[in-house]
Amino acid sequence: DTVLTQSPALAVSPGERVTISCRASESVSTLMHWYQQKPGQQPTLLIYLASNLESGVPARFSGSGSGTDFTLTIDPVEADDTATYYCQQSWNDPPTFGSGTKLEIK
Amino acid sequence: QVQLKETGPDLVQLTQTLSITCTVSGFSLTTYNVHWVRQPPGKGLEWMGAMWNGGGTDYNSAFKSRLSISRDTSKSQVFLKMNSLQTDDTAKYFCAFPGPYFDYWGQGVMVTVSS
Repeated sequence: DTVLTQSPALAVSPGERVTISCRASESVSTLMHWYQQKPGQQPTLLIYLASNLESGVPARFSGSGSGTDFTLTIDPVEADDTATYYCQQSWNDPPTFGSGTKLEIK
Repeated sequence: QVQLKETGPDLVQLTQTLSITCTVSGFSLTTYNVHWVRQPPGKGLEWMGAMWNGGGTDYNSAFKSRLSISRDTSKSQVFLKMNSLQTDDTAKYFCAFPGPYFDYWGQGVMVTVSS
């Protein structure tokens, strides 16, 4: 299975720019997607196909990358962005998720 | 309006079978695929399998032959059944659609496997 590696946690101050990385164990082309999950809730889609912003998601969120290295950027960060962020690939079977990056807003 | 809602037991005994229903509205099961994803407490997300709009299924090999997904299109329901439950099957189980990325998720059902 394709392993997606994410850094476990980040802490930033409101107004700053944060980048969350996701590295795949093999190429996933641009079939990488990003989700936000707040405690006790279901995940919500932020970015699909590496760089496409899901409808209704603030333009503060953006995604980039291809192959094995991907980035989710939030700029500027707001207090409400406190959550865990997951990447997910759909190029290889089975679809897999990263272990998540917990974002803390100081 | 698209909605997905999982219903199932809170507690299942060790080695028994788990049955969860995902009831959908706002779209047709014959047009879109529905997937199952689970999340153990404090851990990440794991794709379990899918019911394709044409009626076929796909499973994560991690679940080997324990998992079965089926549907009743007349009731807009997709079913997950998993047998031989172990304590590490304790998780919140979500249905989501349409894939390959998931725009919509149910709120999930938390299932505890008890010995």
